[in-house]
Amino acid sequence: GNSVTQMEGPVTLSEEAFLTINCTYTATGYPSLFWYVQYPGEGLQLLLKATKADDKGSNKGFEATYRKETTSFHLEKGSVQVSDSAVYFCALYGGGATNKLIFGTGTLLAVQP
Amino acid sequence: DTAVSQTPKYLVTQMGNDKSIKCEQNLGHDTMYWYKQDSKKFLKIMFSYNNKELIINETVPNRFSPKSPDKAHLNLHINSLELGDSAVYFCASSLEGGNYGYTFGSGTRLTVV
Repeated sequence: GNSVTQMEGPVTLSEEAFLTINCTYTATGYPSLFWYVQYPGEGLQLLLKATKADDKGSNKGFEATYRKETTSFHLEKGSVQVSDSAVYFCALYGGGATNKLIFGTGTLLAVQP
Repeated sequence: DTAVSQTPKYLVTQMGNDKSIKCEQNLGHDTMYWYKQDSKKFLKIMFSYNNKELIINETVPNRFSPKSPDKAHLNLHINSLELGDSAVYFCASSLEGGNYGYTFGSGTRLTVV
């Protein structure tokens, strides 16, 4: 079945450092891919998405490119801020019979001033 | 003008009690979901309704019963609560099955004592 694997955290960075959170997936067909962010004590917010191969999703300085050849959707940001501290979830929607959003295990990012 | 709203935000109750969590969306979406997030932040889908019809029912104890009176509402009733039911429960909604992502509520933190 469909699945998402993302790097374990926590990831601890200093402010203005470069961020990469790895995400790979297994799916049949052509899934849509997402990154969600969960700030402490809050629900999940859609950060960015890509619906087909080679699409790049971007929002708030974050980017991720849908790579079909490597089945990956890594999240990157050039310069993180303390306010980016949160849990980041990679997710996949396979459509059809699966018809549900499948999440990775989440990666906690802690940015220190 | 909250998009997906859940009540209550916090729920503390004793083992054996019956409780309900309510969810409403004003986005005009046709599909609604319940997810459970455990203490390690892992998210797992429980149920999904499309236009009041149950379409996903994962391996969830039958003490959990969803009810959808109309496509804008999806409630979750839990009978005979157990310690292991303690978690954060998220409601979500989507259009056209989820290819463009889900919108999540802010969650209900259930604590069973």
